[in-house]
This record gives sequence, structure tokens and C-alpha cells, in this order.
Amino acid sequence: KNEVEQSPQNLTAQEGEFITINCSYSVGISALHWLQQHPGGGIVSLFMLSSGKKKHGRLIATINIQEKHSSLHITASHPRDSAVYICAVRRNTGGFKTIFGAGTRLFVKA
Amino acid sequence: DTAVSQTPKYLVTQMGNDKSIKCEQNLGHDTMYWYKQDSKKFLKIMFSYNNKELIINETVPNRFSPKSPDKAHLNLHINSLELGDSAVYFCASSQSRANEQFFGPGTRLTVL
Repeated sequence: KNEVEQSPQNLTAQEGEFITINCSYSVGISALHWLQQHPGGGIVSLFMLSSGKKKHGRLIATINIQEKHSSLHITASHPRDSAVYICAVRRNTGGFKTIFGAGTRLFVKA
Repeated sequence: DTAVSQTPKYLVTQMGNDKSIKCEQNLGHDTMYWYKQDSKKFLKIMFSYNNKELIINETVPNRFSPKSPDKAHLNLHINSLELGDSAVYFCASSQSRANEQFFGPGTRLTVL
């Protein structure tokens, strides 16, 4: 079992829908990263958080350290949000390496 | 202005060859990384350097050797390329190990 699990693996939504992507992890972490990988392959950092909640435009990320869980929300989804969303955690032991989830592939239909 | 750049963007080569991928960042960051993304799109850390010193070296074949001539550059040299090395390789950098990472555009390596 991977130390970082994401759900769902694939998600199809209608434009305008509210979207939630979940990330659970089983290791101690110092920070959690949400990344977006576009169909062209480029990776963009969306959020890095270690507690609470962050908001940027239509994107909201939350983390619950006690429950070892984070969520990424997209409000008023748009076709341009179609991408793979990747959760990554930075361990607080063992060399502080970054471990990635398998990603959630989101497709937003117009 | 490109923050993290990689060259080449595409690399097609024969099995057994030796090749290098270059990475440069102009962000003044202290820490740089190499990641491998396989055909299933799973990203895995390969190496991390902090101020030119190796701090993470995952279980990768010793055919892979990173080289950091200075803080702004982290190159990846691969000897005796194998079919299984085909993947997209991403370079990234961060201000320190504790900070947000910025990714390069990736290098798609195809070994024939």
C-alpha cells in the first residue's frame, strides 16, 4: 500500500460543479503539497500547507494533521481545470523526502 | 524568464548509450531535485542536493549519477541506458528543503 493515497483516481464533472479530491497519508509529515499536471505534462505547484486551510482563486486546500488527510476543492469548475492533481507529502523523518500520490485525473465537460 | 529549465525536452536514444540531462534554476534556490515519472504517471524522487551536497539518494541504479557544479545546476548523467529508463524526468528546486518546490518542464527520455 502506498504511503500516500488519493481518491478518486478519475473524476468527470460538468462545468460549474464543485469538486473535491482527497488525499490520505500514513507517515509523519512536515508539509503537504498539491500539484497540478496539465495534459502537456508541465507540473505547477498549487499549494503547500502544514495546517489549516489555504485559498487561491477557485481553489481551496485543507489539511487535518490528526486525521492525516487533506482535501483539494475546486469551486465553479471549468474545462480548463482538466488536469491531473497530485498530492505529495514531505516526510519529517527519513531524509525528509517527498512522497507522491498516484494522482487524480479530472476531466471537466463543457 | 524561465525559473527552472531542462535540456533537452525530448531525448531518443539507443540502449547502451550514455546521456545527460541538464537542469538550471535562476531562482537562487539552495535545493534541487530529480524526479522520475513512469508510464503510469507516478512521480518518484531520485536525488536531492542542498547547496551542492547530496542529501537524498533513493534506490536508483548506480548507472544514474547526479552532478551539481554549482547551486544553480543539477545535471543527471545516465550510463548504459536500458529500456526501463524510458520515462519523463523532472527537475525541481526549492529555497530550502522546507519550502515549496518549483518544477522544470520535464525531459521525455525514450530508449529504443
